[in-house]
Formats: sequence, C-alpha cells, structure tokens
Amino acid sequence: GQQLNQSPQSMFIQEGEDVSMNCTSSSIFNTWLWYKQEPGEGPVLLIALYKAGELTSNGRLTAQFGITRKDSFLNISASIPSDVGIYFCAGQPSTVTQGGSEKLVFGKGTKLTVNP
Amino acid sequence: EPEVTQTPSHQVTQMGQEVILRCVPISNHLYFYWYRQILGQKVEFLVSFYNNEISEKSEIFDDQFSVERPDGSNFTLKIRSTKLEDSAMYFCASSETRGEANYGYTFGSGTRLTVV
Repeated sequence: GQQLNQSPQSMFIQEGEDVSMNCTSSSIFNTWLWYKQEPGEGPVLLIALYKAGELTSNGRLTAQFGITRKDSFLNISASIPSDVGIYFCAGQPSTVTQGGSEKLVFGKGTKLTVNP
Repeated sequence: EPEVTQTPSHQVTQMGQEVILRCVPISNHLYFYWYRQILGQKVEFLVSFYNNEISEKSEIFDDQFSVERPDGSNFTLKIRSTKLEDSAMYFCASSETRGEANYGYTFGSGTRLTVV
C-alpha cells in the first residue's frame, strides 16, 4: 500500500564521513520530503522534491526524487556532530480520484550518530 | 521565521478523561493537520482540515477524536475518552497550499500526551 520503507534504521559514522539513506515504496508519490527530528522537537523540513528525477541540494544535503516516483535518497556530505538526529522521508501519495492526497506518509526514520 | 505553536508541551491525563490539545498555525496558512508519533515509531497522519471541515482522515481518527477551529487562530484536537494507547507525541502542522504543489508543511514542536 502507501508504506515507505526507509533504510538503514540507524547509522554510526565518524565526523567527516558521507552518509546515504533511502526510501522506497510500491506506490507512487507526488512529492517527497526529507525531515530531521531532534529529541523533543517536531520534524523540520530539509529538502522538498516535486518532480520525478529532480535532484536538489541544500548545503551539504542532496536528495533525489526517483524516476519511477517510488523512491528517494538523501545524501549528507562531510558529516558534522550537529547532523545527529533522526531523518525521516515523507511522501504525498498519488491518488486516482483526487490526483494527490493531502496527508504525508512517513518512513520509520534513520537514526544518525556522528562520532567526533 | 513563522512557526506553529502547540500547548501544552506535556500533558498527563487519567484514562477515560477528555483532553484538548491546542495549536496556533501560521497565520496565512489555510490547511491544518494533526499527526501523532508513538514513542520510537514513525509519524502517522490523523486528520487534515480546510475551510472549517475535515478534508481527509485516517483509520486512527475514530469517533473518539474531533477537531475544531473555534476562532481565527486556534486549531484544536480533542480526544473524548483517552486510552492508554493514545499516549504519544501529537504534532500540529499547517501549510499554505495543498495537493500536488504542496510546498511542505511546518510542524509544531508537539504535545507529549501521557495517559495513566
């Protein structure tokens, strides 16, 4: 159905390393969003993707919207300690009747730990 | 930067009691949402609200839940008779647009609801 499979579940890396995480689904999504959540806070939008094949950067972050509209990845280059947190992919499902749903479907998150 | 404000930040309630979670969305936003996140799990959509009515809701949003925009600024989530499994972080979000061109939500910091 409209589930997002996010991997990996967790990552432990050294400061300076690059990070890659991805989300896949069997359903088509109109929009892919990547959020970061820190303890006790709400999700904060990092990157939004609106077109299949779109590649977008935000500083050290790069994300792509897959051609099939069923997947997306997020890369973080040269990680720093403040990158620590949980990263969620989220998608806006495509629906036959409405063209697009308003809700966001979230992945289960990737917990990132950066060792200085 | 405009933000979504939620109160209280933490609420403890006895099972069976009614609770009202409050949110002040961003002032020029027209679409409002509630999500919840059970501890350690993914963020789940509850309901979307536009033009003073529910536009979409999930299976989680049963008869125990209701939403209201009592005035021009507040957006509330009421749980009529709380159950232990309602314990979660509840996030309010708002957005300026909807549908396929939705430019991402802004989430509040959440209300942690603990049902004892």
